[in-house]
Amino acid sequence: QVQLVQSGTEVKKPGSSVKVSCKASGDTFKKHAINWVRQAPGQGLQWMGGIIPFFGTPYYAQTFQGRVTITADESTNTSYMDLTNLRSDDTAVYYCARSGQPDRRNSWFDPWGQGTLVTVSS
Amino acid sequence: EIVLTQSPATLSLSPGERATLSCRASQSVTSYLAWYQQKPGQAPRLLVYDASNRATGIPARFSGSGSGTDFSLTISSLEPEDFAVYYCQQRSTWPLTFGQGTRLDI
Repeated sequence: QVQLVQSGTEVKKPGSSVKVSCKASGDTFKKHAINWVRQAPGQGLQWMGGIIPFFGTPYYAQTFQGRVTITADESTNTSYMDLTNLRSDDTAVYYCARSGQPDRRNSWFDPWGQGTLVTVSS
Repeated sequence: EIVLTQSPATLSLSPGERATLSCRASQSVTSYLAWYQQKPGQAPRLLVYDASNRATGIPARFSGSGSGTDFSLTISSLEPEDFAVYYCQQRSTWPLTFGQGTRLDI
């Protein structure tokens, strides 16, 4: 059973950056995409992008292009999501979620990490 | 971008009743639609993928149907633990998108 464990709560100033990690257990890390999805307080879910560690090339939703960088380290089974130039409306819970199918960028998400709260405030 | 519209926004039912949640896509997603359940303070949990396939460990009272632009999630007999927010998600076209959610209240 794959589990995703994320790093802890972050509090950031506007204009700064945040880097959230997502460590996967199990030996299927390299072939399944790790996606990043965020949820603002009281709001719905918004897909940000993902990466298939084996291929190494990330892909992003246009909304976040230029501000987000997603990476994967196969040696530690860990994916990272780096969001720059933070604004107050980036305050959200950030989830990582594995793609349900190997080698596919377009998939459903299962399982999910526990979420990381990022608060942006001056 | 494909917009998913869920209805109703809130559904108030009692344990033992049948719940039917709807998700409509702004263009065809063929059968590439998933459903998730989210409880307060928790991550979403996959219930159904590709319109009608139950995820591992999901009780048989949950079923999905539909194709093209119109989909539904049915809970045949509500259990107390089923009261939560439900989201649909399409994987047909980038960007992957979610519906705005249906809250299922007791």
